[in-house]
Amino acid sequence: GAVVSQHPSRVICKSGTSVKIECRSLDFQATTMFWYRQFPKQSLMLMATSNEGSKATYEQGVEKDKFLINHASLTLSTLTVTSAHPEDSSFYICSARDLAWRPKETQYFGPGTRLLVL
Amino acid sequence: GNSVTQMEGPVTLSEEAFLTINCTYTATGYPSLFWYVQYPGEGLQLLLKATKADDKGSNKGFEATYRKETTSFHLEKGSVQVSDSAVYFCAQQGAQKLVFGQGTRLTINP
Repeated sequence: GAVVSQHPSRVICKSGTSVKIECRSLDFQATTMFWYRQFPKQSLMLMATSNEGSKATYEQGVEKDKFLINHASLTLSTLTVTSAHPEDSSFYICSARDLAWRPKETQYFGPGTRLLVL
Repeated sequence: GNSVTQMEGPVTLSEEAFLTINCTYTATGYPSLFWYVQYPGEGLQLLLKATKADDKGSNKGFEATYRKETTSFHLEKGSVQVSDSAVYFCAQQGAQKLVFGQGTRLTINP
């Protein structure tokens, strides 16, 4: 089946620094990738939709200057948490659709990145 | 707007018990419906799906039937195992994005 990877799997950083998380589709091309945030014992919250070659579409309430998304190729999207603070600590999950995606099909999820900001 | 509601957890069962996790949805039209499973510290894995009314999705002993008349997609398994302990998410596919339920944490005791 289709595989999506994320790197790093966990990261600890100091408050005020920036952290970049990568999401890669390993065996397919993804025109659209999604970034989710998950708080402990809660559901996934969609942060933004990333389209290759264009600007990301952010969900209401998500600061685009805080969470920078770049989707420069059909296999890679990056999420940069700028000037991270402890409240940004969370589990970040990406997902990807392949080029042939139709609404009946699923997305493929990455394993997640756990961010801890001290 | 589109939404998904799951039964509140956590759910704790003994091994070999029967499992039902309720899921209902609201939507315009007939979305595809999914169950995802999340094991501790991991991302989401697709467990099963159904794309139209009366479809039954099944995988690893789990089943769910797309019920248009009750707008439901309840997850069932006849005999759970300790390895089924995880968080289960019901979801519907809208025009552009997945909408998730709040998740149900399942713990199976030996």
